[in-house]
Amino acid sequence: SQQGEEDPQALSIQEGENATMNCSYKTSINNLQWYRQNSGRGLVHLILIRSNEREKHSGRLRVTLDTSKKSSSLLITASRAADTASYFCATDLDTGRRALTFGSGTRLQVQP
Amino acid sequence: DVKVTQSSRYLVKRTGEKVFLECVQDMDHENMFWYRQDPGLGLRLIYFSYDVKMKEKGDIPEGYSVSREKKERFSLILESASTNQTSMYLCASSSIVRETQYFGPGTRLLVL
Repeated sequence: SQQGEEDPQALSIQEGENATMNCSYKTSINNLQWYRQNSGRGLVHLILIRSNEREKHSGRLRVTLDTSKKSSSLLITASRAADTASYFCATDLDTGRRALTFGSGTRLQVQP
Repeated sequence: DVKVTQSSRYLVKRTGEKVFLECVQDMDHENMFWYRQDPGLGLRLIYFSYDVKMKEKGDIPEGYSVSREKKERFSLILESASTNQTSMYLCASSSIVRETQYFGPGTRLLVL
């Protein structure tokens, strides 16, 4: 399977609830990034976390990285209907590969 | 504000036609990327370029070629379009390879 696999594939929650998405990868990384994609549009960069960091915050977003488990999670707190989108993790593999590797994404639906 | 533009949002072509997809960025970025996005498969890298006239194959280069004659412009060429190239094509650029990427809005290509 691919690097940067997100879990779950789809998530539906009510406005105001928290949303947690997970990303697992198989080899060592230099950094891991999360992107958001509104339906039919391009991706927008949300946050980058480096391999020597464990947690990062940006507004209502919180990203954690556990390199021993080769996994990351993205938490969106107090979700809004406008957070409805697909969320992708992308890994910078420590293999000499010169490009990011994207997962297949989590589709988040926030019900108003 | 960062801007990546793609020549078309929607494109319909016939099997066997030569197709050109153009991408322009205004951020003076060295690195530019072409991905295709298919349901359940996430983003797959077709080609990327790390400098003018320089290119490197991604994960699925077969059936595609690229051209980068100017720093701001990266073209994806489908030499002879086939129905299995029906997809969403996304262009991106970055100043530092393997770090934040900025995406265009995407071109949805239908090959009949």
